[in-house]
Amino acid sequence: GNSVTQMEGPVTLSEEAFLTINCTYTATGYPSLFWYVQYPGEGLQLLLKATKADDKGSNKGFEATYRKETTSFHLEKGSVQVSDSAVYFCALTHTGGFKTIFGAGTRLFVKA
Amino acid sequence: EAQVTQNPRYLITVTGKKLTVTCSQNMNHEYMSWYRQDPGLGLRQIYYSMNVEVTDKGDVPEGYKVSRKEKRNFPLILESPSPNQTSLYFCASSSPTGANYGYTFGSGTRLTVV
Repeated sequence: GNSVTQMEGPVTLSEEAFLTINCTYTATGYPSLFWYVQYPGEGLQLLLKATKADDKGSNKGFEATYRKETTSFHLEKGSVQVSDSAVYFCALTHTGGFKTIFGAGTRLFVKA
Repeated sequence: EAQVTQNPRYLITVTGKKLTVTCSQNMNHEYMSWYRQDPGLGLRQIYYSMNVEVTDKGDVPEGYKVSRKEKRNFPLILESPSPNQTSLYFCASSSPTGANYGYTFGSGTRLTVV
């Protein structure tokens, strides 16, 4: 079946450091891939998405590229800020479907 | 403002006392879903609804009920809550092309069953 695996956290970085959060998936066909962010005490917000191979999603300085050959969708940001501290979820939705599968989430702490 | 509204935000209840968590969206979305979030497990789908009067089980439906009598509302019902249903619950909605646009989530309901 479909699944999403994220790197375990927490990830602790200093401000302005480079961020990578790894995400790999298992799915049949061609799923759409997403990153969601959850700030403390809030619901999930869509951060970025990619709907086909080689697409790059980007938003707020974050980027992720849909790599079908490695079944990966790693999240990156060149220079993190304290305000980026949150939990990040990788997710997939199968093409033509509605069911979304989430990874376990990766907590990011950014120190000033 | 486009949003998904859940109530209540926090709820403490006793085992066996029926409760309902409400969810409403103002985006005219056809698809709505309930998830529970537990540490280390991410989000797991409880029930979903493709449209009015159309609902189906997700991955962890035991102990829950839902209804979809109106397009905007999708309440989650716990007929006889038990402590293992203590969790953080999220309602989400999307258009029929959710695979391309992702979901809008509510702010969550933290439920404690004692």
